[in-house]
Amino acid sequence: GQNIDQPTEMTATEGAIVQINCTYQTSGFNGLFWYQQHAGEAPTFLSYNVLDGLEEKGRFSSFLSRSKGYSYLLLKELQMKDSASYLCAVRDRAGNMLTFGGGTRLMVKP
Amino acid sequence: DAGVIQSPRHEVTEMGQEVTLRCKPISGHDYLFWYRQTMMRGLELLIYFNNNVPIDDSGMPEDRFSAKMPNASFSTLKIQPSEPRDSAVYFCAIQEGTGGTDTQYFGPGTRLTVL
Repeated sequence: GQNIDQPTEMTATEGAIVQINCTYQTSGFNGLFWYQQHAGEAPTFLSYNVLDGLEEKGRFSSFLSRSKGYSYLLLKELQMKDSASYLCAVRDRAGNMLTFGGGTRLMVKP
Repeated sequence: DAGVIQSPRHEVTEMGQEVTLRCKPISGHDYLFWYRQTMMRGLELLIYFNNNVPIDDSGMPEDRFSAKMPNASFSTLKIQPSEPRDSAVYFCAIQEGTGGTDTQYFGPGTRLTVL
């Protein structure tokens, strides 16, 4: 099975940088995903890591260490619209099923 | 919610009634997933299909839940009889393949309230 942990809530200031951590314990691993979910909306895909290292996409970056079972999502130059929940998800070895963490609710304050 | 239509968007029903949730993928996919999201339990996979065939239904909570996919463009999730604890947002998601960056794209969801 999969066990995924993320902080429940975080608060940061507009313009700042925030790092959201995710740790996982899995019986099989075939990639780690980050999704963003605004209140009342569906999750939307942000990033994907399958190899160790940093993947950068504009203001968002995601890091993976498979040996440590650890990932983080880094958000730079925070904007008010970044206030949302961020879900970490691990894909199983077969490549089909995602197991989601409980999500981290990020509040960006002026 | 690229590529997926769900209906209804909101459903309020009374305990004991049958509820049918619908999902229409409008873009290419090999896989279709049904999830349930609550504050207490987060986002949980209920069942998924590959080429219209159910592959894993281990997340379906009880026999009261059933899902079908008669063709590549339509799937239903039925709850009969419904109970207040079934109140949640139900998402349908699609995925094109299983390689590389193939990821799941979620529909807008159906918010179900069982009174």
